Amino acid sequence: DAGITQSPRHKVTETGTPVTLRCHQTENHRYMYWYRQDPGHGLRLIHYSYGVKDTDKGEVSDGYSVSRSKTEDFLLTLESATSSQTSVYFCAISDGLGNTEAFFGQGTRLTVV
Amino acid sequence: SQKIEQNSEALNIQEGKTATLTCNYTNYSPAYLQWYRQDPGRGPVFLLLIRENEKEKRKERLKVTFDTTLKQSLFHITASQPADSATYLCAAQGGANNLFFGTGTRLTVIP
Repeated sequence: DAGITQSPRHKVTETGTPVTLRCHQTENHRYMYWYRQDPGHGLRLIHYSYGVKDTDKGEVSDGYSVSRSKTEDFLLTLESATSSQTSVYFCAISDGLGNTEAFFGQGTRLTVV
Repeated sequence: SQKIEQNSEALNIQEGKTATLTCNYTNYSPAYLQWYRQDPGRGPVFLLLIRENEKEKRKERLKVTFDTTLKQSLFHITASQPADSATYLCAAQGGANNLFFGTGTRLTVIP
């Protein structure tokens, strides 16, 4: 899958606990994205990064933070997980400004109980 | 607000026929559209990109059209096969650096 790895693949956590999801790429692509996918909503952008330490919010960023200290790693943190954050999370990378193809990871299924 | 809509949640067709999926966008004019395939439990995989100045794009049995007057893209799979069964996602430019996705159409090709 184009050298993009998400970890963990599955996680169950309790409400109120912090959770960090990791995305690692070996493609040296500049842009990295975190999406969530829910039935009836499709893929929605949470945050994205356009370079090391350069990040911006997407359409559903509340309750999430991100960090990118190295080109290859993009972390998504839920500071205090809620049941509404139960979802499948996808990381994606691209080499261009969004007008080039995006490569997606395998996804992380997160359940908040 | 900007919106991408894939009108059909599910589409069933007979093997060998042409599948046609629709993607409509409202309240803006994207410079390009992309189509992805997603299989259960996996991430989306890029298929085709079409720019606003291109009427049509082809790749093997796949064809995409972009009609800026109708604000619509059509995605065709000719000579469909059971292996084409998957969810197909339409995505459009949603600002400088990201994509807006539709909710997808689940295609089932019946042998």
